[in-house]
Amino acid sequence: LAKTTQPISMDSYEGQEVNITCSHNNIATNDYITWYQQFPSQGPRFIIQGYKTKVTNEVASLFIPADRKSSTLSLPRVSLSDTAVYYCLVGDKKDNDMRFGAGTRLTVKP
Amino acid sequence: DAGVTQSPTHLIKTRGQQVTLRCSPKSGHDTVSWYQQALGQGPQFIFQYYEEEERQRGNFPDRFSGHQFPNYSSELNVNALLLGDSALYLCASSYQRDSFNNEQFFGPGTRLTVL
Repeated sequence: LAKTTQPISMDSYEGQEVNITCSHNNIATNDYITWYQQFPSQGPRFIIQGYKTKVTNEVASLFIPADRKSSTLSLPRVSLSDTAVYYCLVGDKKDNDMRFGAGTRLTVKP
Repeated sequence: DAGVTQSPTHLIKTRGQQVTLRCSPKSGHDTVSWYQQALGQGPQFIFQYYEEEERQRGNFPDRFSGHQFPNYSSELNVNALLLGDSALYLCASSYQRDSFNNEQFFGPGTRLTVL
């Protein structure tokens, strides 16, 4: 499974756009990129998944360059409730062994 | 529609004891995965059950075992508890034959403390 590298922590303010970048230099051809969000004392929650270019849903956007060696999760206009740990995972869609790294702890300030 | 439920919420055990944690998957899901999350770390995959069989296993010793029932619910058993087993145990469910998305739905977890 491809190893991922993310910043340990990030700070932002309410209303700002937040971009969290994940590096995955050894991504394989069949691998997808998936992001999860986790609040304290809760299980992770799926945010978005993509393979290439750009994916957007009602919560976030995922930007993936052509070489797919990195990806950026974009959260538009964050609020205090977006304070959480964000995990980037890379793997085959049918790979059951999901490897969570340490994640990025995002703190949104008023 | 109930999501993934886990019981108990919290549990305190002593070293050497055995523990059983329970999980009911989201309605319509047939696959259950278990994860261990130590404080300040990401979840670590323990194993996955589908069709009442262990399909894949992470790097955990045999002290960790599981079971899946015909109604897709699952149990995680840990024998000979160690202090290092103290963690949040998460259960996640998914639909095995979803070829478009293997999104997993996580439960709230069981907080296990080993004294």
